[in-house]
Amino acid sequence: DSGVTQTPKHLITATGQRVTLRCSPRSGDLSVYWYQQSLDQGLQFLIQYYNGEERAKGNILERFSAQQFPDLHSELNLSSLELGDSALYFCASSGRGFGGNTIYFGEGSWLTVV
Amino acid sequence: QKEVEQDPGPLSVPEGAIVSLNCTYSNSAFQYFMWYRQYSRKGPELLMYTYSSGNKEDGRFTAQVDKSSKYISLFIRDSQPSDSATYLCAMSAPRGSTLGRLYFGRGTQLTVWP
Repeated sequence: DSGVTQTPKHLITATGQRVTLRCSPRSGDLSVYWYQQSLDQGLQFLIQYYNGEERAKGNILERFSAQQFPDLHSELNLSSLELGDSALYFCASSGRGFGGNTIYFGEGSWLTVV
Repeated sequence: QKEVEQDPGPLSVPEGAIVSLNCTYSNSAFQYFMWYRQYSRKGPELLMYTYSSGNKEDGRFTAQVDKSSKYISLFIRDSQPSDSATYLCAMSAPRGSTLGRLYFGRGTQLTVWP
């Protein structure tokens, strides 16, 4: 158990809909990262938050947004969903002293868009 | 050209074999090098972490980094069926807006048969 909690584990929704994925980082970790894993693209970095503020942005679509709350949990909002958004969405967290060995991944939220 | 290249395999070996997994990269700013293991679309689990060049050994696993060639390797000795998984290499730069952001290879699917 990495200590990073993601909900829901599985989600099936229709095209055009909106969903929210939730992540609770490891206790004390200030950074939260969101990654998308699809069969054809592998693991792709979406966005990073540090202590409530956006720190870095990757290949995140404009239809997607995220935020980190004062209690450090984070939510990833996916809207106007398309079939191609079907993927595993991972949240990861790290502590203050990032050294590569402190990034832990959750078990992921498996999104299927039909 | 992707920043991190990894042969997706699949790789199939008999139990007890030595497995060699490799990645190449193009960004000379990468300083942190990691190997993750991922079972059946579960969350990636950190296996090995190396900072800059050199070798690191942990039990049956050895990670090597050659920054001059931009090439990293993971060796698994005495491979076991329980090692069957997808192995992902990941890298990160130490500072700036990319701090903490991991760049992943596509992953190599390994099967160890009894």
